[in-house]
Amino acid sequence: AQKVTQAQTEISVVEKEDVTLDCVYETRDTTYYLFWYKQPPSGELVFLIRRNSFDEQNEISGRYSWNFQKSTSSFNFTITASQVVDSAVYFCALSEGWNSGGSNYKLTFGKGTLLTVNP
Amino acid sequence: EAQVTQNPRYLITVTGKKLTVTCSQNMNHEYMSWYRQDPGLGLRQIYYSMNVEVTDKGDVPEGYKVSRKEKRNFPLILESPSPNQTSLYFCASRREGGNTEAFFGQGTRLTVV
Repeated sequence: AQKVTQAQTEISVVEKEDVTLDCVYETRDTTYYLFWYKQPPSGELVFLIRRNSFDEQNEISGRYSWNFQKSTSSFNFTITASQVVDSAVYFCALSEGWNSGGSNYKLTFGKGTLLTVNP
Repeated sequence: EAQVTQNPRYLITVTGKKLTVTCSQNMNHEYMSWYRQDPGLGLRQIYYSMNVEVTDKGDVPEGYKVSRKEKRNFPLILESPSPNQTSLYFCASRREGGNTEAFFGQGTRLTVV
């Protein structure tokens, strides 16, 4: 069975600090996909990034960066120079691949990390 | 604009009164699903549908029904709501395949008293 663990329930930082959100996953699939979503106080779910299991390249998008390490089954998310607008709940999620044999392209979510950035 | 539309956004109802939360997507996606979000539990899948007339249970299906008569619509039905179904509900759609991002509706905050 798939599982996603976000051990940090809440993180509080001061603006301009860097912060890393941890995500550890479990799956028996050899092909799988990892995602990060942001849920701001307004409640909607905003897609941030998708990563394939066969692509371990790290990615940077502005102040956001993601570190994918298959050896430790981790897909961590770093915000550099955090801003108040980054305050949100962040979810890491895992999806099975084509070779899973199943037909449910379910996203398995972690429980989320509430990030509060204080001015 | 590509979107998933849920209605209503907020709903307060009484125990036992049947209700339907509608979900519609305009991206011609085959795959649609419903999730509920509860504090400390993250999002859990209720039901999913691979295509028209093809639906199946997710992780927490008890007390819910769904239907998929048209590709764009995937309503969630609570035949006899109970207080433990008070939650934030999200509808999602994605193209077929685990490698695609899911598009989520705005969410429906349901309170059952």
